[in-house]
Amino acid sequence: QKEVEQDPGPLSVPEGAIVSLNCTYSNSAFQYFMWYRQYSRKGPELLMYTYSSGNKEDGRFTAQVDKSSKYISLFIRDSQPSDSATYLCAMRDSSYKLIFGSGTRLLVRP
Amino acid sequence: EAQVTQNPRYLITVTGKKLTVTCSQNMNHEYMSWYRQDPGLGLRQIYYSMNVEVTDKGDVPEGYKVSRKEKRNFPLILESPSPNQTSLYFCAANGGGLLMPMDQPQHFGDGTRLSIL
Repeated sequence: QKEVEQDPGPLSVPEGAIVSLNCTYSNSAFQYFMWYRQYSRKGPELLMYTYSSGNKEDGRFTAQVDKSSKYISLFIRDSQPSDSATYLCAMRDSSYKLIFGSGTRLLVRP
Repeated sequence: EAQVTQNPRYLITVTGKKLTVTCSQNMNHEYMSWYRQDPGLGLRQIYYSMNVEVTDKGDVPEGYKVSRKEKRNFPLILESPSPNQTSLYFCAANGGGLLMPMDQPQHFGDGTRLSIL
């Protein structure tokens, strides 16, 4: 079993929809949680970073962490075609090793 | 502009021929790392470095070497490449210190696609 599970998609939504992307994990020691966006032929870029449980909002993006369920989510409001990309969750414990999910491909249709 | 630069971007080579992928950052960040990205497996960390002359293994270090002689450079060395090292490789850098390194955005290069025949 992988430490971090992420549905590969693709997830196809119409422009303006609310998108929900999720990851589950098995290691209860994880305390730092990140979401990255990766466009084709580019490196990942950090979107959101959350420490421990709770919500964090940044513009159209909201990250949620539920440590009791070992479940994290990224919500995108008013989705745009430019949001079409692969979204990777990542997490780590107190060490410096980052564990990534395999990524969910998102397509926002105009 | 914050940049992580990898070279080469593409390389096709043969089994056993030593190669080096260079990585350079212009942000004076302490922490640098190497990842490989494979379909269905996502990004897996190969090696990381917390500062000059300080390196440690990630999840998949077998077959790779790194060095950190100066802060800005973190080359990835494949001494005897094999076909199972065919992959897309990313170098990343981020600042911060020992307490909360992930407070700083992690900057990735645009990747190096290696094919080993």
